[in-house]
Amino acid sequence: NAGVTQTPKFRVLKTGQSMTLLCAQDMNHEYMYWYRQDPGMGLRLIHYSVGEGTTAKGEVPDGYNVSRLKKQNFLLGLESAAPSQTSVYFCASSYSRAPLHFGNGTRLTVT
Amino acid sequence: DQQVKQNSPSLSVQEGRISILNCDYTNSMFDYFLWYKKYPAEGPTFLISISSIKDKNEDGRFTVFLNKSAKHLSLHIVPSQPGDSAVYFCAATMNTGFQKLVFGTGTRLLVSP
Repeated sequence: NAGVTQTPKFRVLKTGQSMTLLCAQDMNHEYMYWYRQDPGMGLRLIHYSVGEGTTAKGEVPDGYNVSRLKKQNFLLGLESAAPSQTSVYFCASSYSRAPLHFGNGTRLTVT
Repeated sequence: DQQVKQNSPSLSVQEGRISILNCDYTNSMFDYFLWYKKYPAEGPTFLISISSIKDKNEDGRFTVFLNKSAKHLSLHIVPSQPGDSAVYFCAATMNTGFQKLVFGTGTRLLVSP
């Protein structure tokens, strides 16, 4: 039982490049989330989804897009990466009103 | 505006002693609180939670206390073990659900043998 799997684990981008982070969960959870963690800031919610085909903005959505075409997958896209998007990105999933299960993170550096 | 605050960035405790991690919140609408533990290069893992209708919840060595009037909660670990060394995040949400979970900035706990 893999839980929540994030790919890739590490990535270095140049300013202006694009990329997609993939999150997959095998727990049949309805809810999925993307967070970013920065030093001294804790975890901040970027976007989330309450079910297949739905997405919603979180606290810091600017510069990111998401898609939830399949229940088990939640994609986070950066169309034009900026140095301010250097961070560790965590995907999570849950049932409604249940603790979140997190993946192990993707460390992204934008130069 | 930091709605959930963990004012101690780090805490050092000796093995066998009590660890007390503190968390303050400003939004009186929060009704459910959680603690997560995070090891390096791993994602946060759920540790313990408490509803606002309670003032204490215990799970083995871990106890969370909630003081609603002070908007303060604390996590007690007794006895502390070296394997407890990690970053601990406090989080809070309202009855709107976990899609609005707000995290604190974390406290790094170091338990020395």
